[in-house]
Formats: sequence, structure tokens, C-alpha cells
Amino acid sequence: EAQVTQNPRYLITVTGKKLTVTCSQNMNHEYMSWYRQDPGLGLRQIYYSMNVEVTDKGDVPEGYKVSRKEKRNFPLILESPSPNQTSLYFCASSMAGQGNSPLHFGNGTRLTVT
Amino acid sequence: DQQVKQNSPSLSVQEGRISILNCDYTNSMFDYFLWYKKYPAEGPTFLISISSIKDKNEDGRFTVFLNKSAKHLSLHIVPSQPGDSAVYFCAASPLTTDSWGKLQFGAGTQVVVTP
Repeated sequence: EAQVTQNPRYLITVTGKKLTVTCSQNMNHEYMSWYRQDPGLGLRQIYYSMNVEVTDKGDVPEGYKVSRKEKRNFPLILESPSPNQTSLYFCASSMAGQGNSPLHFGNGTRLTVT
Repeated sequence: DQQVKQNSPSLSVQEGRISILNCDYTNSMFDYFLWYKKYPAEGPTFLISISSIKDKNEDGRFTVFLNKSAKHLSLHIVPSQPGDSAVYFCAASPLTTDSWGKLQFGAGTQVVVTP
């Protein structure tokens, strides 16, 4: 089954403790992206990757890191999480990073930073 | 500053009637527009899209209209069904190559279809 898999689904952590949210897709998609969803703000892009070893900042990249060493994986790293990073995170992928290539989303990761 | 705006956070509609969701954008460089639907505890799923060279696209019960001069698009759902109860996100994709990959989303509209 074609899918985007994120892990974990739920995560509670403390301020400053490094964490990684994994994302994997099995559709051989070139483009991958991370979003956070917050009430009243919709989905805001954190980072995206047009291909292996190519990553770019989205609208809210501060406090996050990503890497794209393999086509299928695009982990999101929070080196020193803070409470304002409490949010619902989505990973997504598509054939290409253009509008006519709709995104496939994972089921989300609910992160709470205390 | 949000470039894609959905000014109605919620919409309640009776089953069988039409649902109209609105979306406004500010960036004239957007050339492709999409609607995504999201159920609780799931990721958004693609619903329908429209290119800036068109003013209407239809797919079953869903129709998207684009008014480029007004920088406005709308999604019509006819007839509305209980399974349509979800959050709907409007999204826009820019034309310029240095902005490829930077899909912009609106804040979403929660639709509730009542029996």
C-alpha cells in the first residue's frame, strides 16, 4: 500500500531533550516536506526537499533540522525542543514539488514539549 | 503573513444542501490551487485542484471555481453528505522556479453536515 509513515504518533518530551520524528514513504517520490498544524494558522511549512541531499527552508524553519540521505526517508530533528514547538506535525511527499503533483500526507505526530 | 486565507473557520450545512467554502490569496504568482480534506487523527488527503489557466474544475460532487482577477477560489460540494464533515484546507503553489516546493496553506474550514 502506498503510504507515508510517521513515527511516533504521539510524543511528550521536556524542554531541551533532543528528539527525532521519522518519516518514510514507499512511493519513490522525489519531493518531501514537513508541516506543522496550529489552531488558526493552518499548515505551515517547516522544511522541504526536492531530492536526495537537497533541502530548503520553508516558512517556519527555526528550531528544526532535516536531512535527506535517502530518497524514502526525511527525518525531522529538534535539537533543543521548546514549548512553542508543541504542535501537530505532518510529513508529506509527492512526485515533484509543483502544484500539479498533489501531496500524500502521513497521519501526523502530536508533539508536546513541557 | 498568510498568503492564503480562509476567513470562515467553520460552516454548518444540512445534508443534501450545497456547501460553499471560500479561499482568498494575495500572491499573483500562484499558478495552481488545491483543496485538501482532513478527518480527525488522519493526515490531509487531496480532494481537487485547478490550474490558473482554468476557471472551473469539476469532479463528481466537488467543483472548484477560480476568479483570478479577484484572487479568489471556492469549493462547492453538492449535495453535501455526512461523510463530508471534515476540515478543508485551501492551498496554492507558486509559478516561479525559486519557489517550487513552497506550497502555501490556508487556516482551514471545519465543515459539519447535519442530518
